[in-house]
Amino acid sequence: GDSVTQMEGPVTLSEEAFLTINCTYTATGYPSLFWYVQYPGEGLQLLLKATKADDKGSNKGFEATYRKETTSFHLEKGSVQVSDSAVYFCALDRDDKIIFGKGTRLHILP
Amino acid sequence: DGGITQSPKYLFRKEGQNVTLSCEQNLNHDAMYWYRQDPGQGLRLIYYSQIVNDFQKGDIAEGYSVSREKKESFPLTVTSAQKNPTAFYLCASSMGLPSGANVLTFGAGSRLTVL
Repeated sequence: GDSVTQMEGPVTLSEEAFLTINCTYTATGYPSLFWYVQYPGEGLQLLLKATKADDKGSNKGFEATYRKETTSFHLEKGSVQVSDSAVYFCALDRDDKIIFGKGTRLHILP
Repeated sequence: DGGITQSPKYLFRKEGQNVTLSCEQNLNHDAMYWYRQDPGQGLRLIYYSQIVNDFQKGDIAEGYSVSREKKESFPLTVTSAQKNPTAFYLCASSMGLPSGANVLTFGAGSRLTVL
């Protein structure tokens, strides 16, 4: 079945470091891909999305490109801030369901 | 402001008791979902509903029940048959199919602890 695999955390970086969180997927066809973020004690929020191959989603300095050839949707940010500390989830949509990865916890040190 | 309201935020239950978690949305979304979140396991789909008076089981529906009598409401009952109910429960909604990329809006969650 369809699935999403993310790099395990936690990931700890210093402020202003470059961030990459890897995400790969298994799916038939061409699902839409998403990154959601969850801040402590809250629900998830959509961070960015891409609906077709080679699309780049971007928001708040984060970017991810839909790579059909490598079935990947890696999340990147050039310079992280302490406020980016959260759990990040990669996801895909399949018909009427959204399938999530297990999440990657990110800690940014000042 | 439009959004999803979950209540209660924290709930304690004794073993053998049923509890109902409330989820209300004023986004006029057609589709609603319940997820369970456990440490290290991400989000797992319990039930979802694309239209009023219809719902489908997700990956871990055993021990749970739902209803969808109104478009804006999708309550989840955790029954005594659920063997390990302590978890963080998240409700979400979306415009549903065939609106394109199925973007979810989440509530703030309800944390259930079984004593």
